[in-house]
Amino acid sequence: DSGVTQTPKHLITATGQRVTLRCSPRSGDLSVYWYQQSLDQGLQFLIQYYNGEERAKGNILERFSAQQFPDLHSELNLSSLELGDSALYFCASSVVGAVNSPLHFGNGTRLTVT
Amino acid sequence: GESVGLHLPTLSVQEGDNSIINCAYSNSASDYFIWYKQESGKGPQFIIDIRSNMDKRQGQRVTVLLNKTVKHLSLQIAATQPGDSAVYFCAEYSFMEYGNKLVFGAGTILRVKS
Repeated sequence: DSGVTQTPKHLITATGQRVTLRCSPRSGDLSVYWYQQSLDQGLQFLIQYYNGEERAKGNILERFSAQQFPDLHSELNLSSLELGDSALYFCASSVVGAVNSPLHFGNGTRLTVT
Repeated sequence: GESVGLHLPTLSVQEGDNSIINCAYSNSASDYFIWYKQESGKGPQFIIDIRSNMDKRQGQRVTVLLNKTVKHLSLQIAATQPGDSAVYFCAEYSFMEYGNKLVFGAGTILRVKS
């Protein structure tokens, strides 16, 4: 068990809808990362937060947004969903600054857009 | 793209044999590398890491080798067991202006035959 908790485990929704994915990092970790894993694109970095502030952005669509709250949990919001957004979404956390320290991943949320 | 998740290479080994999984990384400035194991239905699990000032690092039944000259990483698993069957990813740290991210390779499927 990595200590990173993601909810829900599965989510099925229709095109055009909006969903929120939730992540609780490991105790003591200040940095949270979101990744998307699809069959044709592998593990793609979306965004990083550190202690409530956005720090790094990857290939995150404008329809997607995230935030990290004062209690350090994070949410990833996906809106105007398209079929191609169907994927596994992983959250990971790491210790302060995350420089040269491994990311620890949750078990993901499987999103299916129909 | 950073991570191409198309046709994953597969390594099939007999139980008890040693496994070697290879990875080529892209950024010569990367100085921290991690191997992850991903089992079906789970998130990537940290196996071992190595910094660029090292050529080799050993863990329990696993060894990571780093060749900076040719930008190559390998993961050696001794006495491979059925429980080692999974997808293995190498990842390199990439520093961004205010944050950082892990860039994942495409992955290798390891199948252990009993």
